[in-house]
Amino acid sequence: NAGVTQTPKFQVLKTGQSMTLQCAQDMNHNSMYWYRQDPGMGLRLIYYSASEGTTDKGEVPNGYNVSRLNKREFSLRLESAAPSQTSVYFCASSEPLDRQTQYFGPGTRLLVL
Amino acid sequence: SQQGEEDPQALSIQEGENATMNCSYKTSINNLQWYRQNSGRGLVHLILIRSNEREKHSGRLRVTLDTSKKSSSLLITASRAADTASYFCATRPDNDYKLSFGAGTTVTVRA
Repeated sequence: NAGVTQTPKFQVLKTGQSMTLQCAQDMNHNSMYWYRQDPGMGLRLIYYSASEGTTDKGEVPNGYNVSRLNKREFSLRLESAAPSQTSVYFCASSEPLDRQTQYFGPGTRLLVL
Repeated sequence: SQQGEEDPQALSIQEGENATMNCSYKTSINNLQWYRQNSGRGLVHLILIRSNEREKHSGRLRVTLDTSKKSSSLLITASRAADTASYFCATRPDNDYKLSFGAGTTVTVRA
């Protein structure tokens, strides 16, 4: 039982390049989330998926797109990376609705030059 | 926007001492959760307290919730070096199921 896995662990991009961050969970959770974490700040929600087939914007969605490929997988795409997107990205999934305890992946460190 | 704010931002204690950190929030909540993040790792859920609960214990952790003051505290008793981490509170509002995280308290436990 791997929990939440993310790939890659670390990535360096040049401004304007694109990339997709992958996330998968094996806990049969309905809801999945993408956050970014910047120094001195908590986690900010980028996008979330309440259930398979649905996605919604969070607090900071600009510059990102997501795909809920199936119940297990939720990917985050940067179409044209900018230095402001340098951050650590975390994927999470959650238990049934009434608790919303979230389980996090190990994170992807992204550096945009 | 961030709903919860932790205080202090950083805390340094001696091994064996207790560590207390606080979280304040703005809107009514369904529950409040505390998470730990070790350096370079993802967040790990520690404890959840519902809005109708006042205190909860889990091992060396004690969480209190005062909904009238919109605040919570996390107490770690008899701290160990392994408790060195950042601690985040997260609130689930009444009218939403998404969590809102604070900026965290960084705790350093000195040997």
